[in-house]
Amino acid sequence: SQKIEQNSEALNIQEGKTATLTCNYTNYSPAYLQWYRQDPGRGPVFLLLIRENEKEKRKERLKVTFDTTLKQSLFHITASQPADSATYLCALPPPGGGNKLTFGTGTQLKVEL
Amino acid sequence: DADVTQTPRNRITKTGKRIMLECSQTKGHDRMYWYRQDPGLGLRLIYYSFDVKDINKGEISDGYSVSRQAQAKFSLSLESAIPNQTALYFCATSDRTSQETQYFGPGTRLLVL
Repeated sequence: SQKIEQNSEALNIQEGKTATLTCNYTNYSPAYLQWYRQDPGRGPVFLLLIRENEKEKRKERLKVTFDTTLKQSLFHITASQPADSATYLCALPPPGGGNKLTFGTGTQLKVEL
Repeated sequence: DADVTQTPRNRITKTGKRIMLECSQTKGHDRMYWYRQDPGLGLRLIYYSFDVKDINKGEISDGYSVSRQAQAKFSLSLESAIPNQTALYFCATSDRTSQETQYFGPGTRLLVL
């Protein structure tokens, strides 16, 4: 089965800097990859989806890259703000596609003033 | 997301008791999911349903059962609760037309004593 790895250590950055989070996966080539945001005690919220034939996708201050050779996705938040502090999860579909997502354990981001 | 509601939001129960967690959605989605989240383990899929008459086991279905009473309702039961079922439980929905994105409820925090 697919394995997803996200850095379990919290990432602390200063306001205004760019935050970069990593999602690595093994064992297959997913058709797409998703990123979600989760605040403490709340359900995850969908942010971005990037497909295997897309190198990069942007939404406002967010940018996601997808390197199918390295089996890695990078999630960037530019001009970070304290309100961006949350846990960010990546999620992949199963081999062959479908709706059954497998989620990474997430990386906690803390943006400090 | 207010379109996906879960009841109760918090529940304390004792070992051996049967409890039911309920999920309702007004998004008109046909696909519904139950996850549990534990620190360090991330989100794990318990059961999922792609239609009213469709029930599928997820990664960790032992000790749980589900009922899809209507397209909008998906209930999770713990037949005989045990302490290691203490966790945060999330319901999620998705739509076959925009099939990849999942929309999560606010979660139910369950403590089994």
